[in-house]
Amino acid sequence: SYVLSQPPSVSVAPGKTARITCGGDEIGRKSVHWYQQKPGQAPVLVIFYDGDRPSRIPERFSGSNSGNTATLTISRVEAGDEAGYFCQVWDSSSYHWVFGGGTRLTVL
Amino acid sequence: QVQLVESGGGVVQPGRSLRLSCAASGFTFSDFGMHWVRQAPGKGLEWVAMIWYDGRNKYYADSVKGRFTISRDNSKNTLYLQMNNSRVEDTAVYYCAKQPSYPGHFDYWGQGALVTVSS
Repeated sequence: SYVLSQPPSVSVAPGKTARITCGGDEIGRKSVHWYQQKPGQAPVLVIFYDGDRPSRIPERFSGSNSGNTATLTISRVEAGDEAGYFCQVWDSSSYHWVFGGGTRLTVL
Repeated sequence: QVQLVESGGGVVQPGRSLRLSCAASGFTFSDFGMHWVRQAPGKGLEWVAMIWYDGRNKYYADSVKGRFTISRDNSKNTLYLQMNNSRVEDTAVYYCAKQPSYPGHFDYWGQGALVTVSS
């Protein structure tokens, strides 16, 4: 089955840029989606199809995907961005949906 | 607006059964595929099952295949997850989630229902 790898944690100072990676074999050939989850809350979609943003998500959130790594970039990080972030792909060959292990973003 | 509200969570003994429900509103339920996704305490997200918009096709994670059954009643705008032969490792918050027109991601999530499997 397809495996996605994320760093367990990333730390960033307020106002700086956070980059959260998601690794997978030729992940650039797949569409990657990202979710934000704050403690005690349900996940929220923040990026879909590699780099598209739902209308309710700030422009500070962006995504890219190439080769074996997809990246979620959060610009001008705010305290409210502190959360868990999960990448996800759909494995169309097996009709399974796969999540990365998640990355905890800490705002210093 | 889209709303997904899970119910039916609780404590169940190992080997016993439990059924979760997810009441949907704010969209045409019968037009969209639906999913269950779970999250064990302090752990990441794990996809559990998916059902087509019309219920014709269903897909399961290997960890629950043969024990869990996903179903839907489009006349009641409700999604179900029948959990049989429960195991301790099934303890998790169970979320129902909607997918957009084309399979790929989950655009809306419910608030989750906690299932604890314990003797």
